[in-house]
Amino acid sequence: GQSLEQPSEVTAVEGAIVQINCTYQTSGFYGLSWYQQHDGGAPTFLSYNALDGLEETGRFSSFLSRSDSYGYLLLQELQMKDSASYFCALGTGAGYALNFGKGTSLLVTP
Amino acid sequence: DADVTQTPRNRITKTGKRIMLECSQTKGHDRMYWYRQDPGLGLRLIYYSFDVKDINKGEISDGYSVSRQAQAKFSLSLESAIPNQTALYFCATSRGGEQYFGPGTRLTVT
Repeated sequence: GQSLEQPSEVTAVEGAIVQINCTYQTSGFYGLSWYQQHDGGAPTFLSYNALDGLEETGRFSSFLSRSDSYGYLLLQELQMKDSASYFCALGTGAGYALNFGKGTSLLVTP
Repeated sequence: DADVTQTPRNRITKTGKRIMLECSQTKGHDRMYWYRQDPGLGLRLIYYSFDVKDINKGEISDGYSVSRQAQAKFSLSLESAIPNQTALYFCATSRGGEQYFGPGTRLTVT
């Protein structure tokens, strides 16, 4: 089976940079994705790493190291609206279905 | 108009009742998924479908069934609802590594 671990809560200051880590155990996967979810809302796609290395999309970057079974999401220039839950997810062989971590609740403070 | 829609958005039902949650998409994607979200547990895969003729069980399919009526429609049924099926249910579609989620159905079984 697969398992993913990420911190349950992170707090950071507006304008700062925060990194949310994700470690995983799996026998195989297509890629590591990151999703954002505001309270009561739908998850929305942020970033995807099919290969090792860094992917950058605006203020968000994501990193994957398959050899270390590790990835992270980096959020720069934090804004209050970035307060949300962030999920890492492995793309599985089951029709590219996602196996989600339990999520990290990010609180951005003034 | 939203690309992935779900009906109903909220539903309260009694133990033992049959209930159907519906999902429609206009993205033209072949792959569709049903996930369940419980507080603190992230999202878990219930069923997924590659196309109309292909239905597959996910991690937590017991107590659920699905129907893929067309490329654009994927329904989830609870044949006899029980209280521990109280959760937030999301439908999603994908073509590749990125998934697009509907707004969710909040189901309460009393």
